[in-house]
Amino acid sequence: NAGVTQTPKFQVLKTGQSMTLQCAQDMNHEYMSWYRQDPGMGLRLIHYSVGAGITDQGEVPNGYNVSRSTTEDFPLRLLSAAPSQTSVYFCASSSPGNNQPQHFGDGTRLSIL
Amino acid sequence: QQQVKQSPQSLIVQKGGISIINCAYENTAFDYFPWYQQFPGKGPALLIAIRPDVSEKKEGRFTISFNKSAKQFSLHIMDSQPGDSATYFCAASAVSGSRLTFGEGTQLTVNP
Repeated sequence: NAGVTQTPKFQVLKTGQSMTLQCAQDMNHEYMSWYRQDPGMGLRLIHYSVGAGITDQGEVPNGYNVSRSTTEDFPLRLLSAAPSQTSVYFCASSSPGNNQPQHFGDGTRLSIL
Repeated sequence: QQQVKQSPQSLIVQKGGISIINCAYENTAFDYFPWYQQFPGKGPALLIAIRPDVSEKKEGRFTISFNKSAKQFSLHIMDSQPGDSATYFCAASAVSGSRLTFGEGTQLTVNP
């Protein structure tokens, strides 16, 4: 059982480039989320989705776009990469309802030069 | 603005000792308080969680203590082992668990 799969695992970009971070889950979870992890700041929510076709902004959405065309996939797009977006990005999924644990992927480590 | 504040930032304990990590929150709408454990190169994994209608929850060597009036909760790791060395995050969410607000994280080192 693969769980939550994120690709790529590592990526280096130049300022101004765009790219898409991929996230796929095979648990038929309705909820999916993107977080970024920075030293001393924990994980901060970027965007989330409660089902296919439905997305909403989290705490730090600027510079990122998302879409949810299928239950399984939730890609995160960086429109014009900036050094401030250097971070480790985690995708998570969960079933709806209270107290449902979020299952995280192993992250994408992104460096913007 | 950090809605969930976590301390200490780092913690070193000896094997067999007790590790204690504390968190405080501001939003009284939070009603689900999980703790996540993260090993290097991996994503966070749910360790234990509590709802505010109980003051304590224990699972094996891990215990959450919850003080609703003080808006604080803590993780206690009894008989700490070197394999417990990891980063621990407290978190909170309101209504549904899809939007988690995390604390800053605590890097725990358990010396053999």
